[in-house]
Amino acid sequence: DAGVIQSPRHEVTEMGQEVTLRCKPISGHDYLFWYRQTMMRGLELLIYFNNNVPIDDSGMPEDRFSAKMPNASFSTLKIQPSEPRDSAVYFCASSLKRTGAGEKLFFGSGTQLSVL
Amino acid sequence: GQNIDQPTEMTATEGAIVQINCTYQTSGFNGLFWYQQHAGEAPTFLSYNVLDGLEEKGRFSSFLSRSKGYSYLLLKELQMKDSASYLCAVSLGGKLIFGQGTELSVKP
Repeated sequence: DAGVIQSPRHEVTEMGQEVTLRCKPISGHDYLFWYRQTMMRGLELLIYFNNNVPIDDSGMPEDRFSAKMPNASFSTLKIQPSEPRDSAVYFCASSLKRTGAGEKLFFGSGTQLSVL
Repeated sequence: GQNIDQPTEMTATEGAIVQINCTYQTSGFNGLFWYQQHAGEAPTFLSYNVLDGLEEKGRFSSFLSRSKGYSYLLLKELQMKDSASYLCAVSLGGKLIFGQGTELSVKP
């Protein structure tokens, strides 16, 4: 299996622009997670899906952030408009079943986002 | 709220043993995970504990005490390649909440 695939690997944009991050989870995995990692705040959960349905989006910073999962093999995280404080590494991860059942997360390589 | 605490940094010598502690106060608990993250890379799974006690896996072991809200990761026979960030994470049903991570530096 190719693992979790994220694109792009790096994104540099200007403040105010729209940014779209993409993720393809491991085939057959029921859960998909979006995390953001910064030095100050560590690895923060933004939102997670179960069977393409958003379950918990309490970590989404504000209305500028939105996430979708139109099918089992694709998810997007969109920031509109972007701000310099959004600069971070954004990770997508997937798991076969619930982490509460001991299922581990598999992470993608991440998208390094820089907003100038 | 959720609170997961780990030391920020630790230093150890090649060949030695190091213990990385993690304490947690969370609304719910369905198990505790440890992940390793090398600089510039994604986190990778190391261990999972849901019952009290020690889980051993080669050079790495992880311990859990649910009543104390405490876990540790024990790394034996340290190697230079063990220099990385070690993340403690608590499962709250469907989601995984991470601590800030402990940056471990292994010196020759």
